[in-house]
Amino acid sequence: EVQLVESGGGLVNPGGSLRVSCVGSGFTFSSAWMSWVRQAPGTGLEWVGHIKSKTQGGTTEYAAAVEGRFTISRDDSKNTLYLQMTSLKTEDTAVYYCTTFIVGAMASDYWGQGTLVTVSS
Amino acid sequence: DIVMTQSPDSLLVSLGERATINCRSSRTLLYSSNNKNYLAWYQHKPGQPPKLLIYWASTRESGVPDRFSGSGSGTDFTLTISSLQAEDVAVYYCQQYYFTPLTFGGGTKVEIK
Repeated sequence: EVQLVESGGGLVNPGGSLRVSCVGSGFTFSSAWMSWVRQAPGTGLEWVGHIKSKTQGGTTEYAAAVEGRFTISRDDSKNTLYLQMTSLKTEDTAVYYCTTFIVGAMASDYWGQGTLVTVSS
Repeated sequence: DIVMTQSPDSLLVSLGERATINCRSSRTLLYSSNNKNYLAWYQHKPGQPPKLLIYWASTRESGVPDRFSGSGSGTDFTLTISSLQAEDVAVYYCQQYYFTPLTFGGGTKVEIK
């Protein structure tokens, strides 16, 4: 059974930093393309960014709203995906989900339960 | 960026009746080289993560009931729930994955009449 478990969310001051993690199991983590999707309170879903598998370059892409502030990385030895967030803004407050992509398509077939990040003073 | 526009914003449907949700893309999602539409549909219930229902515009994800179907091509797509069940109350989102940034529609809330 595929499982994705996020952790590391919490309350952080504007301008601060936070790293959230996602541990995957039940699938070949190293082969998977992974993404982060967020949902701010009362709004819809927003793609944050994704990372390819290392065999396909391990490259990342980001939404414009987070480019230069957020970094996605992966440690395949630990089956873990990371989202490093810096220079946080109040509008980054959201539930952050990690997801896997279907092979050959950037549609998210598995999702974690999400971790809440609150940016507030 | 590709803009995804869903309609209606909300839908009241009687149990057992058909629910139809529309999604329009600002650019074609049909890739001519493989004749596939890069469009997915998700169901999102409160307190749960979103669930993939449909990808390639009309391919049902494993385990998804066959009352859910996707149709359309190019820029206009539809998600149909043929006979609404109580457990289908949720917000439904379309998403394009043809271009980055990946973009979602604004969502359609489906409730029981």
